[in-house]
Amino acid sequence: DTGVSQNPRHKITKRGQNVTFRCDPISEHNRLYWYRQTLGQGPEFLTYFQNEAQLEKSRLLSDRFSAERPKGSFSTLEIQRTEQGDSAMYLCASSSNQAPNTEAFFGQGTRLTVV
Amino acid sequence: DQQVKQNSPSLSVQEGRISILNCDYTNSMFDYFLWYKKYPAEGPTFLISISSIKDKNEDGRFTVFLNKSAKHLSLHIVPSQPGDSAVYFCAASEGNYGQNFVFGPGTRLSVLP
Repeated sequence: DTGVSQNPRHKITKRGQNVTFRCDPISEHNRLYWYRQTLGQGPEFLTYFQNEAQLEKSRLLSDRFSAERPKGSFSTLEIQRTEQGDSAMYLCASSSNQAPNTEAFFGQGTRLTVV
Repeated sequence: DQQVKQNSPSLSVQEGRISILNCDYTNSMFDYFLWYKKYPAEGPTFLISISSIKDKNEDGRFTVFLNKSAKHLSLHIVPSQPGDSAVYFCAASEGNYGQNFVFGPGTRLSVLP
C-alpha cells in the first residue's frame, strides 16, 4: 500500500497524559499536512511541512502541540498534557509540489479520545 | 469566520437522479478548489478539482462548476448511486504549489435506492 499511513488508528488516553501520533506520507511527496477534525466539522488545518521545514502553523496549534518531520519523510504530532477538548480525529495528508494545484491525499486518521 | 461554506448539512436524492452539492467561499485569493468524499472512520478521499482558470471540470459522473464572480462552486453527480452516500467536503487553496487547504463543514449525501 503506497498511500498515507497513520498510526495508531485509535488512541484513548487520560487527561494530562502526552500522546504522539505518526504519519508516513506517500514516498515521493515533499509536502505533509496535519489537520484536526471534530464531529460535524470539516478538517481544520494545523500545520504543514515542505520536506523537513515546518512552513506554517495555525493558531489552533497551541504550545501543547508540536510537530516534527526530522528527515523530511515521516512526521510525528505530539500533544502534551492532553485535555478533553483535544478529542478529535487527527488527519495527515501529503502532496507533491512538483506542479501547481495538486491535491492532497489523506490517511485514515488517528482518533484520539481523552477521558 | 468560515472562508468556505457549505450551507446544506444534508441532502437526500433518489438513485439515478442528479445530486447537486453547493459551496461558497469568501476569500478572493482562492484559486484552486477541490471536492473530497469521506466515509465514516476513514480519511477524506480526493474526488475532483478545478482551477480558477476554468469554469467546469468533468470526470465521469462527477462535474464541478465554478462561478468566480459569485464565489460559488457546485458538484454535480449524475446519475447518483447508493455508494455515493458519504459526507462531501469542499476545499480551497491559494494555489501557488499549494499551501494549506481550507475545508467547508461538509454536506452529508444520502442516495436512496
